[in-house]
Amino acid sequence: EAQVTQNPRYLITVTGKKLTVTCSQNMNHEYMSWYRQDPGLGLRQIYYSMNVEVTDKGDVPEGYKVSRKEKRNFPLILESPSPNQTSLYFCASSLSSARGRSPLHFGNGTRLTVT
Amino acid sequence: GESVGLHLPTLSVQEGDNSIINCAYSNSASDYFIWYKQESGKGPQFIIDIRSNMDKRQGQRVTVLLNKTVKHLSLQIAATQPGDSAVYFCAENTGGFKTIFGAGTRLFVKA
Repeated sequence: EAQVTQNPRYLITVTGKKLTVTCSQNMNHEYMSWYRQDPGLGLRQIYYSMNVEVTDKGDVPEGYKVSRKEKRNFPLILESPSPNQTSLYFCASSLSSARGRSPLHFGNGTRLTVT
Repeated sequence: GESVGLHLPTLSVQEGDNSIINCAYSNSASDYFIWYKQESGKGPQFIIDIRSNMDKRQGQRVTVLLNKTVKHLSLQIAATQPGDSAVYFCAENTGGFKTIFGAGTRLFVKA
């Protein structure tokens, strides 16, 4: 089954404790992206990747890192999480990064709580 | 389930009726538009898309209409079913790597 898989689904952590949220897609998609979803603010892009070893900042990149060493994986790293990073996170992928002309496929989300 | 928006516009329809969800997009240079459906506890799911060289596109029970003059997009769902209850997002793309999402509309289907 074609899918985007995120892990974990739920994560509760404390301020400053490094964490990684994994994302993997099995559709051979070039483009991958991370979003956070907050009430009243909608979906905001954190980082995106057009292909292996090519990443760039989205609208809200502060406090996050990403890497794209393999086409299928795009982990999101929070080196020192803070409470304002409490949110619902989505990974997404699409077939082609060329001019963004294909729809995004989303994972089922990771609910992160930072205390 | 997950809360995706506490103060979203809400549309309530009777099962079997047609639903129309509207969206105003922001960028006149946007040339690709997508509708997504988000059910509680899940990620957004692609429903239908349309390019700016079209003004109407139909799928199974869904139709998207695009009015570029007034920068308006609508999603019509025929014979709405309880399984259609969800939050619906429109999204626009200007040809770069950025997709801009609308705030979303919550659809309630009354049995």
